[in-house]
Amino acid sequence: NAGVTQTPKFQVLKTGQSMTLQCAQDMNHNSMYWYRQDPGMGLRLIYYSASEGTTDKGEVPNGYNVSRLNKREFSLRLESAAPSQTSVYFCASSEANRARDQPQHFGDGTRLSIL
Amino acid sequence: EDQVTQSPEALRLQEGESSSLNCSYTVSGLRGLFWYRQDPGKGPEFLFTLYSAGEEKEKERLKATLTKKESFLHITAPKPEDSATYLCAVQRGPGTYKYIFGTGTRLKVLA
Repeated sequence: NAGVTQTPKFQVLKTGQSMTLQCAQDMNHNSMYWYRQDPGMGLRLIYYSASEGTTDKGEVPNGYNVSRLNKREFSLRLESAAPSQTSVYFCASSEANRARDQPQHFGDGTRLSIL
Repeated sequence: EDQVTQSPEALRLQEGESSSLNCSYTVSGLRGLFWYRQDPGKGPEFLFTLYSAGEEKEKERLKATLTKKESFLHITAPKPEDSATYLCAVQRGPGTYKYIFGTGTRLKVLA
């Protein structure tokens, strides 16, 4: 009963380093999302994948890239990390339903610090 | 501009003291409003979806209601384990997959 699994849970990087955050869901959901959560700003959408094979930009995509590897997995890559990218990153997934919006289910996050 | 505003930012209650949290929204063509609970160091946990004005959902001590402009999360006789941040969210528009989250209400229930 894992739901959405994110790895790693914590990471410290130096400015300019790259890394990939991993996310996998076992609920057979079509749609997956990456958010960042910063104090006082709420959750902000970085990228999303409406279905396998598609990805689109959210509100704050600059400095990030994503890959929808298959239906289960959606990764987020920081090519050249900057201190402004210090944040908590959440992955989420949801069913696709054209008639009604469906709730998202979240992982427990990756806490990323960039020095 | 699409917006979700939650109030109050923080709320301290004594155990058993009922209260309500507010989520006001401005978005065209609402197709669902979502409430989540977030504990420190964890991801948001889904609580309720409300789809139309007048709809109500209940779970234990929590009851969510929806009007055309806002939603309320009523907490009846809260316990310390209800302490958490409560978030609400709506989708920006049909088929956009872009959800707007409020900044949340931090609830602390004192024993």
